[in-house]
Amino acid sequence: GENVEQHPSTLSVQEGDSAVIKCTYSDSASNYFPWYKQELGKGPQLIIDIRSNVGEKKDQRIAVTLNKTAKHFSLHITETQPEDSAVYFCAARHSSASKIIFGSGTRLSIRP
Amino acid sequence: DGGITQSPKYLFRKEGQNVTLSCEQNLNHDAMYWYRQDPGQGLRLIYYSQIVNDFQKGDIAEGYSVSREKKESFPLTVTSAQKNPTAFYLCASSVESGNQPQHFGDGTRLSIL
Repeated sequence: GENVEQHPSTLSVQEGDSAVIKCTYSDSASNYFPWYKQELGKGPQLIIDIRSNVGEKKDQRIAVTLNKTAKHFSLHITETQPEDSAVYFCAARHSSASKIIFGSGTRLSIRP
Repeated sequence: DGGITQSPKYLFRKEGQNVTLSCEQNLNHDAMYWYRQDPGQGLRLIYYSQIVNDFQKGDIAEGYSVSREKKESFPLTVTSAQKNPTAFYLCASSVESGNQPQHFGDGTRLSIL
């Protein structure tokens, strides 16, 4: 079955710097890759997603890149702000699957 | 305002007691899911349902039960057979087919008295 690995498990960056979180997946049939942000005591919220027919997608300070050949995808946050501090999860799914497979999460801390 | 509502936000269970966590969605989604999250950990799938009156076990179904009598509702019962039930429980829903995201509720935190 599908397996998603996420790195790093914790990440601390200076406010204003960029943060990058990386994920790899095992099932080459996966074609949908969402990213979620989870704040303390709340459920994960979708922040951006990408489908396998594109290599990059951007939404203001957040971007996601996908390399289908290498089976990895990354989340890039630029100009980080204190409110970016949270746990981020990557995930993978293919259209015939009922389940989304989640990575283990990255705790991002933004230093003032 | 469409979304997923989980209740209660906090729940306490006595030894040997069954408790039921509620999950309701008004997004008209076919599929619904229950996850368990332990402190500092990722999401582990307990049960999921793709359609009313049908559900499948996830990776950690032992000690849990579910029902799906209505499209909008997918309650989770934590039975006395679950020996370590203290965790954060998350419910999610999604469109069944296609490449669509799961939408999550804000969770129920279950603790043992």
